[in-house]
Amino acid sequence: SQQGEEDPQALSIQEGENATMNCSYKTSINNLQWYRQNSGRGLVHLILIRSNEREKHSGRLRVTLDTSKKSSSLLITASRAADTASYFCATDRGGGATNKLIFGTGTLLAVQP
Amino acid sequence: DAGITQSPRHKVTETGTPVTLRCHQTENHRYMYWYRQDPGHGLRLIHYSYGVKDTDKGEVSDGYSVSRSKTEDFLLTLESATSSQTSVYFCAISDRDLGVYEQYFGPGTRLTVT
Repeated sequence: SQQGEEDPQALSIQEGENATMNCSYKTSINNLQWYRQNSGRGLVHLILIRSNEREKHSGRLRVTLDTSKKSSSLLITASRAADTASYFCATDRGGGATNKLIFGTGTLLAVQP
Repeated sequence: DAGITQSPRHKVTETGTPVTLRCHQTENHRYMYWYRQDPGHGLRLIHYSYGVKDTDKGEVSDGYSVSRSKTEDFLLTLESATSSQTSVYFCAISDRDLGVYEQYFGPGTRLTVT
């Protein structure tokens, strides 16, 4: 079963605008990760936020985590046409040593030039 | 793609035939994973490995088997391919023992079962 659910399923914006994607999950986590997938390619890791962190930045990316609401958001500022891709959240529930992730169904972002 | 290759990249096969997909890594990471990606389902874990000869099932393991005889290679076998196994298959690696909690993905294999 899916742990993460992204919202919205699809998002279309103009270049230069900010894009916000949300992720909700169901169980407690060790960390939450965001990945990008360009059409026809493998997933690329963007950022990891641990359960004891509330906000993290990486370049134009800002991730927040609210463990009380079991939700996370990914903000891409000043978007570019090259940001067009699908974005997935993935949760690591920790425990054991398997490092398994459970992925959501993704948000398809289209940035219009 | 972080030293991960998958072969073949594309395959068309007939229902009932066995198919083996290969994942090869040059990163010496301990953990390897096989996922399938289908529209509306995101990525779903098929099988994973936490060391040579150590494997376990994921959430959609029926009809699939895996083997890992060397650190660098993780094989996924469809014992008797069915049309429902038409999908894009991704391999990934990680190594929390080395502080690598994120996963690195291969380029994918597009499999069509006719």
